[in-house]
Amino acid sequence: GDSVTQMEGPVTLSEEAFLTINCTYTATGYPSLFWYVQYPGEGLQLLLKATKADDKGSNKGFEATYRKETTSFHLEKGSVQVSDSAVYFCALNNAGGTSYGKLTFGQGTILTVHP
Amino acid sequence: EAGVTQFPSHSVIEKGQTVTLRCDPISGHDNLYWYRRVMGKEIKFLLHFVKESKQDESGMPNNRFLAERTGGTYSTLKVQPAELEDSGVYFCASSQVYRGHGYTFGSGTRLTVV
Repeated sequence: GDSVTQMEGPVTLSEEAFLTINCTYTATGYPSLFWYVQYPGEGLQLLLKATKADDKGSNKGFEATYRKETTSFHLEKGSVQVSDSAVYFCALNNAGGTSYGKLTFGQGTILTVHP
Repeated sequence: EAGVTQFPSHSVIEKGQTVTLRCDPISGHDNLYWYRRVMGKEIKFLLHFVKESKQDESGMPNNRFLAERTGGTYSTLKVQPAELEDSGVYFCASSQVYRGHGYTFGSGTRLTVV
């Protein structure tokens, strides 16, 4: 079945540091890939998405490129802020099967950014 | 537009008791999903409603869990009787279309079974 693997956390960075959170996936067909973020006390929010190979999703300074050859969708940001502290989830939706919109998530990565 | 509303936000119950979680989707969203995150692990799919019908309930862990969506509006997820391993955060999401696009998640219900 489909699966998503994220790098182990937690990740602790200083403000303005470079961020990478690795995400790899296993899926049949042609999945869409997502990054969701959960800020403290809030629900999951879609951060960015990519629906086909080589697409780059971007939002709020975050970027991720859909790499089919390496089955990866790593999240990057050039300069993190304290306000980026949150839990980040990589996810996929496999439109090729019978999943009808079901998302498969990774285990989440806790990011803490210090001033 | 109001978002997806879940309540309660927190619930602490004793093992063996019954708990009912509620989700109010965004008005007009036919698709409603339940997910669960246990013990800091990955968020796992529980089930999917299209209007009042269960489209996919392959993620429901066992028959102690019962989900309903009467009238195709709000949904409830009942756990009866609750066990310790049911503790976690239960998320609800709604969308207008299939394929994971346009999901809106609620803030979740944190369930603690003691």
